[in-house]
Amino acid sequence: AQSVTQPDIHITVSEGASLELRCNYSYGATPYLFWYVQSPGQGLQLLLKYFSGDTLVQGIKGFEAEFKRSQSSFNLRKPSVHWSDAAEYFCAVGPPTGNQFYFGTGTSLTVIP
Amino acid sequence: KAGVTQTPRYLIKTRGQQVTLSCSPISGHRSVSWYQQTPGQGLQFLFEYFSETQRNKGNFPGRFSGRQFSNSRSEMNVSTLELGDSALYLCASSSTLQETQYFGPGTRLLVL
Repeated sequence: AQSVTQPDIHITVSEGASLELRCNYSYGATPYLFWYVQSPGQGLQLLLKYFSGDTLVQGIKGFEAEFKRSQSSFNLRKPSVHWSDAAEYFCAVGPPTGNQFYFGTGTSLTVIP
Repeated sequence: KAGVTQTPRYLIKTRGQQVTLSCSPISGHRSVSWYQQTPGQGLQFLFEYFSETQRNKGNFPGRFSGRQFSNSRSEMNVSTLELGDSALYLCASSSTLQETQYFGPGTRLLVL
């Protein structure tokens, strides 16, 4: 069965510190992987995506993610967090064709000064 | 290029009523998907349309339905509303079935 697990419900980091948000997936075929961010009262904004090729993908706002097939993981990282990064982050997996995404339950990020 | 627009943004209904939500995709996009977001269940896939045809449907009761028009605009309908239908309903569009989805701001539905 397809599923996405984000083990960390909530993470607090200091501004300027590094960040890693974890994502593990279970999918029967080669997945397409995504990270989205949601600010309060807003829709989802795409941070980055992985379809194939280089397993380290760069996204917007200085985020990157690494696909590790052996670990079924797609962790999101940022070397230095800004206060504006405080939001909810969702990892998603989707099929090669079609848009039936499966989302994780999200990780809420708090950034303290 | 304008993003995905959803109307209305907020809606209050009472149990037993029905509701219709609208989604206008990004110009040129032919695929529209709908998701329900609740604090307890997170983001759950409702259905997906491409060129006016429903391609996939999530695990929701028949009270949830949708359609897509020839201009790619989509509507979803929920009949006989229940308290548990209170949620943020998100629409996403993509140019084809293999492209990135872009999400709208959502319609927040409150059922009293």
